[in-house]
Amino acid sequence: ELKVEQNPLFLSMQEGKNYTIYCNYSTTSDRLYWYRQDPGKSLESLFVLLSNGAVKQEGRLMASLDTKARLSTLHITAAVHDLSATYFCALHRTDSWGKLQFGAGTQVVVTP
Amino acid sequence: SAVISQKPSRDICQRGTSLTIQCQVDSQVTMMFWYRQQPGQSLTLIATANQGSEATYESGFVIDKFPISRPNLTFSTLTVSNMSPEDSSIYLCSVEDHGSGANVLTFGAGSRLTVL
Repeated sequence: ELKVEQNPLFLSMQEGKNYTIYCNYSTTSDRLYWYRQDPGKSLESLFVLLSNGAVKQEGRLMASLDTKARLSTLHITAAVHDLSATYFCALHRTDSWGKLQFGAGTQVVVTP
Repeated sequence: SAVISQKPSRDICQRGTSLTIQCQVDSQVTMMFWYRQQPGQSLTLIATANQGSEATYESGFVIDKFPISRPNLTFSTLTVSNMSPEDSSIYLCSVEDHGSGANVLTFGAGSRLTVL
């Protein structure tokens, strides 16, 4: 059974500090996604990671992928209030194109 | 990037009724995907909708409860049948967004259903 586990599920951040969200998965895949969801909104695509060692950065967010460890991380640098949201990782299922298996999500709250 | 329009954006429904959700994309796509997000939960795939063939359902979801239509390459509907309060969720459609580059899966804004 394919499992995608995120931790922590809740993260209280102080502005200006650095934090990491972890995403472990149980089977191999050709890509992993990170999404952001604001309350009451849909999902915003942040990153698509395709290969081992892939690293992508956008602003204060950086995502990486280690396919050997079956681990992806989302690193937040110098957190700011605008980053408060729920972050999901999602693994592309290899049994059929386009299907995603989502992690439980990490609710991030950034406070001064 | 692809623009996905979902209707309705939200609705309040009575137990035992059915509601059809529409998903319109501004470009042709081969596959469309329907997800459910229960309150405070993550997303779960309901089914894949291919044009010209029957939708394929994930374990735990059946056609009688969630009939899907896919009449062309830009449009799909999901019906939630004989609703109960447990069906209160956000229902989202998703497509591959060729406009944003390969491998990007984009989601619609979602349809938030509340069943009383």
